[in-house]
Amino acid sequence: DAMVIQNPRYQVTQFGKPVTLSCSQTLNHNVMYWYQQKSSQAPKLLFHYYDKDFNNEADTPDNFQSRRPNTSFCFLDIRSPGLGDAAMYLCATSRARTGGTEAFFGQGTRLTVV
Amino acid sequence: ELKVEQNPLFLSMQEGKNYTIYCNYSTTSDRLYWYRQDPGKSLESLFVLLSNGAVKQEGRLMASLDTKARLSTLHITAAVHDLSATYFCAVADTDMRFGAGTRLTVKP
Repeated sequence: DAMVIQNPRYQVTQFGKPVTLSCSQTLNHNVMYWYQQKSSQAPKLLFHYYDKDFNNEADTPDNFQSRRPNTSFCFLDIRSPGLGDAAMYLCATSRARTGGTEAFFGQGTRLTVV
Repeated sequence: ELKVEQNPLFLSMQEGKNYTIYCNYSTTSDRLYWYRQDPGKSLESLFVLLSNGAVKQEGRLMASLDTKARLSTLHITAAVHDLSATYFCAVADTDMRFGAGTRLTVKP
């Protein structure tokens, strides 16, 4: 059974039209991560939540926002998608940031911007 | 800033051969992960290495960690075509950072 679920699997949006990607987890993990992965590149961390504590990477554009209304759900909002934002977006969870806990990834959402 | 370097970035192997992928990192973390990614798919966890000297094996893959050298290796034994994929190492500090990935192709 899937433990980290991302919806939708594929998302097509228009240039400049706000889009929201969602991630839910059944693991009750404290930490939720959002990664952006462009073709043939490594996943790049955008931000993560430790419980309600939001941690933004210094080089994450302001165009990207996130919300975590409760432990189970986390959303990635792209306010004005550009062509360069087309990528696979990966959500991951882990029990803690420290202590060597494993991170579990969702199936990803492939975003296309037209 | 934590840096994670993998090499080689591209690896083409014949079936039945052995090879090693290397992962160097810049922090004192002792938590290292290996993931597999098939084209268009998400990341599949292969190994979690949590201490110096940790060695784990699953099938034809074996991973090890030397925290003093800040080095992890992923060794492939007698490669088969099904192992063709991209392999990432990731190091956990206050968050998790990935290496650039090694795209492995195993040829008959």
